[in-house]
Amino acid sequence: QKEVEQNSGPLSVPEGAIASLNCTYSDRGSQSFFWYRQYSGKSPELIMSIYSNGDKEDGRFTAQLNKASQYVSLLIRDSQPSDSATYLCAVTPFGGGYNKLIFGAGTRLAVHP
Amino acid sequence: EAGVAQSPRYKIIEKRQSVAFWCNPISGHATLYWYQQILGQGPKLLIQFQNNGVVDDSQLPKDRFSAERLKGVDSTLKIQPAKLEDSAVYLCASSLDFRRGVNYEQYFGPGTRLTVT
Repeated sequence: QKEVEQNSGPLSVPEGAIASLNCTYSDRGSQSFFWYRQYSGKSPELIMSIYSNGDKEDGRFTAQLNKASQYVSLLIRDSQPSDSATYLCAVTPFGGGYNKLIFGAGTRLAVHP
Repeated sequence: EAGVAQSPRYKIIEKRQSVAFWCNPISGHATLYWYQQILGQGPKLLIQFQNNGVVDDSQLPKDRFSAERLKGVDSTLKIQPAKLEDSAVYLCASSLDFRRGVNYEQYFGPGTRLTVT
């Protein structure tokens, strides 16, 4: 079982719709959870972090964490073509080192006009 | 505030040759990370430094990869000799600090794309 799993996509949504990206992780003791956006040929860019159960909103982005289900998601409201990118879920495992990030393989999002 | 700087941006070498990558973290960031990202995969941590000391190098192939951060600022990652499977993007990231139970966000540099032929 992979430590952090994401659907590779592509997830295709029309402009203006809500894009929902999901991530599951295997280490129940994981501490911190991050979403990075990576445009083709570019490096990962941090867009959201979440540390406790529930929702965290930042502009058009909402991160949701459910530690009991070992599940973290990212919602993008009013999706724009500029949101088309690969979204990487990253987790800090418990006991896996200080501040170490384990990444999923990413979900490719395509927003079409 | 300047971001993480890396050079070169691209490198093409033949297998069995050596190569070195350079990284300068965000000013004031004590922790520096080197990641390897193979096409279609997420980044994988190779080595983590706190100032000039190694915190985690458990996934660094030490028979061919080496890294140093002598003065606690800049860092160099070297591969010698390179193999075809080393073709990847090498990403450097930094964070303010690291400490168990405290969350420090990591910021990535532009990366170096290595092609081994």
